[in-house]
Amino acid sequence: ETGVTQSPTHLIKTRGQQVTLRCSSQSGHNTVSWYQQALGQGPQFIFQYYREEENGRGNFPPRFSGLQFPNYSSELNVNALELDDSALYLCASSLSYYNEQFFGPGTRLTVL
Amino acid sequence: TQLLEQSPQFLSIQEGENLTVYCNSSSVFSSLQWYRQEPGEGPVLLVTVVTGGEVKKLKRLTFQFGDARKDSSLHITAAQPGDTGLYLCAGGLGGTSYGKLTFGQGTILTVHP
Repeated sequence: ETGVTQSPTHLIKTRGQQVTLRCSSQSGHNTVSWYQQALGQGPQFIFQYYREEENGRGNFPPRFSGLQFPNYSSELNVNALELDDSALYLCASSLSYYNEQFFGPGTRLTVL
Repeated sequence: TQLLEQSPQFLSIQEGENLTVYCNSSSVFSSLQWYRQEPGEGPVLLVTVVTGGEVKKLKRLTFQFGDARKDSSLHITAAQPGDTGLYLCAGGLGGTSYGKLTFGQGTILTVHP
């Protein structure tokens, strides 16, 4: 059974650019949650997708947006990148929104 | 806004010592989870506690959920170098907020041989 995978592993962007991060959920999982983990901090909840619909959002501005596809993989899009967006972005999938979350290895985003 | 405060932030001990990490909040959580994260990897779930006063043991690790479901602790007995890592507590709310975890800032544990 393949676990949660994320791409790319690392990414360097400049301020003002846009970025798309991708997540493939574990087989059979219909829920994907995205978290931002700044250096030295715990992960912060960005939003969750359940069966292709947004199912809750944390305190992140609208320039953070997402999408979940029919195969339950997901994308996180960030527009107008700011220096503070530099972080490890974690994706977690679960059987459903109330089940245990399995985390991917993350995408390290650096904004210069 | 629910907040979880972990202490200590850093812990550096010798192999064989015991340690306790605390996770405190002013909010009530329906569940409390403990994760361990290695560099370059995502957090891995160690345990979930859901009942006030619940105690769970995982080999040398003992997890406790406070009676009021606002706090939790992780106790490691006879720490080993393999226990080195970032330990995170995360609180979950019920209902439609289930799965939207609130994490503490983490405790970096280093166990020296």
